[in-house]
Amino acid sequence: AQSVTQPDIHITVSEGASLELRCNYSYGATPYLFWYVQSPGQGLQLLLKYFSGDTLVQGIKGFEAEFKRSQSSFNLRKPSVHWSDAAEYFCALNTNAGKSTFGDGTTLTVKP
Amino acid sequence: NAGVTQTPKFQVLKTGQSMTLQCAQDMNHNSMYWYRQDPGMGLRLIYYSASEGTTDKGEVPNGYNVSRLNKREFSLRLESAAPSQTSVYFCASSPAGRSAEKLFFGSGTQLSVL
Repeated sequence: AQSVTQPDIHITVSEGASLELRCNYSYGATPYLFWYVQSPGQGLQLLLKYFSGDTLVQGIKGFEAEFKRSQSSFNLRKPSVHWSDAAEYFCALNTNAGKSTFGDGTTLTVKP
Repeated sequence: NAGVTQTPKFQVLKTGQSMTLQCAQDMNHNSMYWYRQDPGMGLRLIYYSASEGTTDKGEVPNGYNVSRLNKREFSLRLESAAPSQTSVYFCASSPAGRSAEKLFFGSGTQLSVL
């Protein structure tokens, strides 16, 4: 069965610092991988996705993620974090029928 | 452009009461989903509907029923609410349910069962 692991429950970074959120997956075939962001009281919004081609994908709000098949990872990065980036971030894997398996999420706090 | 609309936004129930969560999308999507979100547990799929007229169980279907009323609407029913069903419920949709498609989410229903 497929699974998604986000090892960090909570991360705190200073505004302007770089950010990396980790995501590891387990799946026997080519994965379709997504990063979503959830602001308080809101639904999830797609940041970026990967399913083939270039392993470095660009998303909205200055985020990028790198797919590493050898490490079964799809880590999310941002060079310089803004206070408005404080939110919860979810990594997800799609298999068939469009059903998504989500990680448990990482809460990002941004210090001024 | 409403997207995915869920009602109500908040609800408090007593144990044993029933209620229906409503979801509607205006994007002409074929596939619709119900997830629950619990602290530290991410989102778990309750039921989904790949297309109008079909529904299937997800990871945590016990205690819930669903109805795909038409292409736009997908409701979730709790027949006899239990405290374990206290959660935030999200409805989502996707164009065709294909693996490469993202999900479009509603803003959620926060449900408390006392």
